[in-house]
Amino acid sequence: NAGVMQNPRHLVRRRGQEARLRCSPMKGHSHVYWYRQLPEEGLKFMVYLQKENIIDESGMPKERFSAEFPKEGPSILRIQQVVRGDSAAYFCASSPRGPLEQYFGPGTRLTVT
Amino acid sequence: SQQGEEDPQALSIQEGENATMNCSYKTSINNLQWYRQNSGRGLVHLILIRSNEREKHSGRLRVTLDTSKKSSSLLITASRAADTASYFCATGNTGNQFYFGTGTSLTVIP
Repeated sequence: NAGVMQNPRHLVRRRGQEARLRCSPMKGHSHVYWYRQLPEEGLKFMVYLQKENIIDESGMPKERFSAEFPKEGPSILRIQQVVRGDSAAYFCASSPRGPLEQYFGPGTRLTVT
Repeated sequence: SQQGEEDPQALSIQEGENATMNCSYKTSINNLQWYRQNSGRGLVHLILIRSNEREKHSGRLRVTLDTSKKSSSLLITASRAADTASYFCATGNTGNQFYFGTGTSLTVIP
C-alpha cells in the first residue's frame, strides 16, 4: 500500500504565477488535509476535505488559495498569483476516518522567486 | 493560541542517552499526538495519547500527559543516531484541526 503521494516535490514559481500542488491519499482514505510549514515553524492547518466536499477551510487564506478533492483523482491545492510569502513546504495528509490517524506525504516545497 | 509549544527548541545528546522533550498547550484538548520529521521529509506519526490517558508506551518511546498542567512529554530511551530529527506535538480538540508546535530539533551524536 503506497503512502500519501505528493507532486511535485519541488516547485519554483515567479511572482504572479499559479501553483498547483497535488496530493494522492493512501488507498482507502477519503479524508485529506493540507498544511503549510514555514521555515523554522510547525505545521499550520489549512483545509480539510472529503471527497467532493470541503469540511473545514478555516485555515485557508481568504484570497488566492483554493482546494478541491474531486470524486476521481488527487486533491489539488491551488495558489493563484503567488507572492514571496507563499514560499513554504506544503504537506498533505490523509486518513480513513476523521482527523485522527493522519498519514503525511513528503511535502511540496514551493519557492516563489 | 491553541498551538502547542515544544521545549527545548534544540537538544543534542550522545547515542545511548535518553532524550526528553516537552510540549505545553493552552486550551483543553481531546488528544495529543507526537510526530517526527526528518530533514526535508514529511511527518511520521509516533504516538497518540487521549485526554483521559496519563501515559503511553511504544517501543523506546514513552509519552506522558498531564492535563492539569496542560503539558506532555516525549521520552526516547537509548537514543540512536537515526533518532536525529525534529519532533512535533499536535493537539486536537472536538474540531477538525490539529495544532502543531514549532518542534524540538534533536541531534543524536554517534
